Amino acid sequence: QQQVKQSPQSLIVQKGGISIINCAYENTAFDYFPWYQQFPGKGPALLIAIRPDVSEKKEGRFTISFNKSAKQFSLHIMDSQPGDSATYFCAAILTGGGNKLTFGTGTQLKVEL
Amino acid sequence: NAGVTQTPKFRILKIGQSMTLQCTQDMNHNYMYWYRQDPGMGLKLIYYSVGAGITDKGEVPNGYNVSRSTTEDFPLRLELAAPSQTSVYFCASSYRATEAFFGQGTRLTVV
Repeated sequence: QQQVKQSPQSLIVQKGGISIINCAYENTAFDYFPWYQQFPGKGPALLIAIRPDVSEKKEGRFTISFNKSAKQFSLHIMDSQPGDSATYFCAAILTGGGNKLTFGTGTQLKVEL
Repeated sequence: NAGVTQTPKFRILKIGQSMTLQCTQDMNHNYMYWYRQDPGMGLKLIYYSVGAGITDKGEVPNGYNVSRSTTEDFPLRLELAAPSQTSVYFCASSYRATEAFFGQGTRLTVV
C-alpha cells in the first residue's frame, strides 16, 4: 500500500519553464509534508516543507501548494534551470511517531536548454 | 562538518554472506533511520531509532537488524544476504521532524 502517491515518474521541462510535481496522501494523521531533492550519487536533501494548516509556501523559485480537503500537495518550480535537474521526492510525516518519513516514489526532472 | 557518514560506499556480497553497514552522525541527533532506495520505488524505511538503546521496525525490516548503543552510531546488519537486498541504503538522522539529514548512501549488490 503506497501511502504517498507521486506523479509524474519523469518530467522534461525547457529552461525557464514551470515544473509541477503532484502528490497525494491517504493518512489524514500526517502533519508535516516535506519535499526532498536528490542529485545522482548523493543522499536526499530537504528542499522545502509545509504544514497542513497552510495552503501555500514559497521559497525562492520553489512553491508548495497544499489542498487539505483533497489530501493533495504539489511542488512548483518556477523558471526551471538545468541545475534543477534531479530526482524529487515528496514525503509525509506523522510527528511524534518517531518522525518517520513516508516517501513518494520520486520524480526524475530534467531541465533542457 | 561531517554530518551523516556511511561506510562503505560500495560493496558486492555473495548470497548468504553477512555484513554491517556503518552509520555515524556528529550532530547529536536523537532520531536515526535506515532507508533503502530501489528504482521507481522511492525510499522505504527499514528500521529507526528514537534514541540510544531504542530501535523499532519500519516498513521493510525482514532480513535486517540494527542496534543503537550510542547516540552517534546506528549500524545496519545483513545476516544472510539475498539478491532482493541489492539496493542503495541511506542512513539519516534528525533532531526534529522538520529536517532529516542523509548520508551519501551505500550501494550494495548481492550476487
